[in-house]
Amino acid sequence: EVQLLESGGGLVQPGGSLRLSCVASGFTFSGSNMGWVRQAPGKGLEWLSAISGDAADTYYADSVEGRFTISRDNSKSTLYLQMNSLRADDTAVYYCAKDFRVSYWGQGALVTVSS
Amino acid sequence: EIVMTQTPLFSPVTLGQPASISCRSSQSLVHSDGNTYLNWLQQRPGQPPRLLIYEISKRFSGVPDRFSGSGAGTDFTLKISRVEAEDVGVYYCMQPTQFPFTFGQGTKLEIK
Repeated sequence: EVQLLESGGGLVQPGGSLRLSCVASGFTFSGSNMGWVRQAPGKGLEWLSAISGDAADTYYADSVEGRFTISRDNSKSTLYLQMNSLRADDTAVYYCAKDFRVSYWGQGALVTVSS
Repeated sequence: EIVMTQTPLFSPVTLGQPASISCRSSQSLVHSDGNTYLNWLQQRPGQPPRLLIYEISKRFSGVPDRFSGSGAGTDFTLKISRVEAEDVGVYYCMQPTQFPFTFGQGTKLEIK
């Protein structure tokens, strides 16, 4: 059974940083493209970033390019999202996803950016 | 960026009756590999999204056969043959054809 468990969410001040983690199990992690999607309170889904199985290719939405960095550690079956220069409008639930074309989703981690 | 437009945004449906949601993309979703990547996801209240349909019409594992997808090119449809109470939630189309991947605005389905 595919399982994705996000962690690292919390309250951070504007301008601060946070790193989300997503531990995966139930599939061959190194062979799977992975990514992040977020959902602001009461809003729809916003695709953020994706990374290939070997980490050679990364992709970002314009809204986070230059501020967020996606990475992975295949030895730990873990996906990361480093978030810098956080703003109030980054407040959202952040979901980890496996393979957007036939996707599995984690339960999400809440990130609140507020002073 | 490919823009995904869903209609309607709100769908009140009677239990046991059909429901239909449309999704239009601003560009063709036919990938260079020949496949068309168009997904439908369901998000029940308080839950993460869940894949229902991928590649226009393929039902994901465990999805009831009352859900079906159709379409081609830039116009796609999700149909529920007979709505059940557990179908309440928000439905999103999504294109994982071209980066940046994009979602429709979501269609809220509720029971009348």
